[in-house]
Amino acid sequence: GENVGLHLPTLSVQEGDNSIINCAYSNSASDYFIWYKQESGKGPQFIIDIRSNMDKRQGQRVTVLLNKTVKHLSLQIAATQPGDSAVYFCAENPYGGSQGNLIFGKGTKLSVKP
Amino acid sequence: ETGVTQSPTHLIKTRGQQVTLRCSSQSGHNTVSWYQQALGQGPQFIFQYYREEENGRGNFPPRFSGLQFPNYSSELNVNALELDDSALYLCASSWTAAGVEGYTFGSGTRLTVV
Repeated sequence: GENVGLHLPTLSVQEGDNSIINCAYSNSASDYFIWYKQESGKGPQFIIDIRSNMDKRQGQRVTVLLNKTVKHLSLQIAATQPGDSAVYFCAENPYGGSQGNLIFGKGTKLSVKP
Repeated sequence: ETGVTQSPTHLIKTRGQQVTLRCSSQSGHNTVSWYQQALGQGPQFIFQYYREEENGRGNFPPRFSGLQFPNYSSELNVNALELDDSALYLCASSWTAAGVEGYTFGSGTRLTVV
């Protein structure tokens, strides 16, 4: 299958631990952000999104934090499972998500040890 | 409801040749966007099609062109292939009103140029 994780920063965690993946975004005008998960041989899969009028949003086992002052996003995964192993990308959009395209970050490879 | 399907899944071409990649959008989606993902990188926006017209373009040369058909499916054409065109090409469809919020990605076409 596709090895999308070559040459990417890698985060290795033990099963059951919490994971934190960080992302610095580029455009101060961006006001909508998405975290994607990409497994080998697949396209990016939506995990969670957040708008710039929020600084935190929670989903099922995932939390996204946004710090607009330093243009930083983080994705927290609680009780990490082997199925969470993948490459994670943050993406930004300067139109509130209503139009345009996404600008993707470089990605982080998450490896979960059983 | 069907997802986004791309064909072929893998392709090998010789430098200088031309290639056509295909994408069927998710049922109910009328906008198609194409991204190039080099190994170990995040996806980069190529262009978007809405109502059979190009509706935004990234920093790619004119030898990258596309089409959208009345059924909202799309093609990506690349002429005069170069070695650096080797990448995973991703198609994402969405409903215009949803913009990038409603993006659904296909699994991609892996193009290798030799």
